[in-house]
Amino acid sequence: GESVGLHLPTLSVQEGDNSIINCAYSNSASDYFIWYKQESGKGPQFIIDIRSNMDKRQGQRVTVLLNKTVKHLSLQIAATQPGDSAVYFCAESPMDSSYKLIFGSGTRLLVRP
Amino acid sequence: EAQVTQNPRYLITVTGKKLTVTCSQNMNHEYMSWYRQDPGLGLRQIYYSMNVEVTDKGDVPEGYKVSRKEKRNFPLILESPSPNQTSLYFCASRRLGGGQETQYFGPGTRLLVL
Repeated sequence: GESVGLHLPTLSVQEGDNSIINCAYSNSASDYFIWYKQESGKGPQFIIDIRSNMDKRQGQRVTVLLNKTVKHLSLQIAATQPGDSAVYFCAESPMDSSYKLIFGSGTRLLVRP
Repeated sequence: EAQVTQNPRYLITVTGKKLTVTCSQNMNHEYMSWYRQDPGLGLRQIYYSMNVEVTDKGDVPEGYKVSRKEKRNFPLILESPSPNQTSLYFCASRRLGGGQETQYFGPGTRLLVL
């Protein structure tokens, strides 16, 4: 399948452990943030989003934390499974255009059996 | 099945030879968009369209054209490809007014320009 990057930062975790993937965003005026998962050979897939008026949002096995003071976003995956192995991207959306997305460069998550 | 399709999936071409990458969605989405993905840079938006006959530039539109004559199709045109357009391209569609959870990405087109 298509490779998404040869020089991505990589996080390696043991199956069953929790994973934390971090992202620093660039624009303090962004008010909407999204995490995407990209498996090998596929397009990005929406995981979870959060608006700037929140600092935490939970989904199924995933939690997104937003720290606007330091412009930092994190994705926590509980009980990581082999199927979670993928590249994860954060994206931010400027306040003036919800149809523009600015993507981060991605983090590769490897789950060891 | 809701999906975004792209053709071709892989393409090798030479500098200056016009090419078109097609994108089609079956969800009646108003919004469609093209991205390119390069190592270390994430996805960057090339062009987007809010509806038929409405298109606008994204962050990296130079060297590309698009058209939106029908709601379901949003082809990406490279009139005179150059090696710096070697990349992985993704088309996406989304319901206008919907959140990002409604955005679907195609499987990608790997382009190599020699």
